[in-house]
Amino acid sequence: GDSVTQMEGPVTLSEEAFLTINCTYTATGYPSLFWYVQYPGEGLQLLLKATKADDKGSNKGFEATYRKETTSFHLEKGSVQVSDSAVYFCALIDWGSYKLIFGSGTRLLVRP
Amino acid sequence: EAQVTQNPRYLITVTGKKLTVTCSQNMNHEYMSWYRQDPGLGLRQIYYSMNVEVTDKGDVPEGYKVSRKEKRNFPLILESPSPNQTSLYFCASSSTSSGGGDTQYFGPGTRLTVL
Repeated sequence: GDSVTQMEGPVTLSEEAFLTINCTYTATGYPSLFWYVQYPGEGLQLLLKATKADDKGSNKGFEATYRKETTSFHLEKGSVQVSDSAVYFCALIDWGSYKLIFGSGTRLLVRP
Repeated sequence: EAQVTQNPRYLITVTGKKLTVTCSQNMNHEYMSWYRQDPGLGLRQIYYSMNVEVTDKGDVPEGYKVSRKEKRNFPLILESPSPNQTSLYFCASSSTSSGGGDTQYFGPGTRLTVL
């Protein structure tokens, strides 16, 4: 079945460092791809999404490009802030049931 | 304000004591869903509902029940909770009309501990 694999954390960076969180997927169809963020003690918030190959999703300085040839959707940010510390989930959607299939999450810790 | 609400936010209970976690959305969404989040496993879908009176099993439905009598509400029922249902639970909703089904809105979560 469809699945999402993302890099294990935690990822610890200094403020203003460059961030990459890797995400690859396996899917039989053409799913939309997502990054969700979970701040401490809160629910999930949609960070960005991409609906087709070569689409780039972007929000709050984060970007991810839907790469069909490498089945990847890596999350990047040029300069992280302490406030970006959170758990990041990569996901795809099963259009049959609208189920989101999540990766296991990557915890990001940004130090001042 | 558009939102998904869940109650309670925190619950500690004992094995076998029936409980209900409520979920309500004010966006007139057709689709609602429950997920559980466990360390190292990400989120897994428990049940979902495409509309009123239409529910179906997700990936981990054992030990749970749901109902969808009204469009805005989608309660999760644990008839006889067990310790392996200790988890963080999220409700989500989305509009499936106008092609908007891929943007799901999540509630704040319910942390359940079963002793």
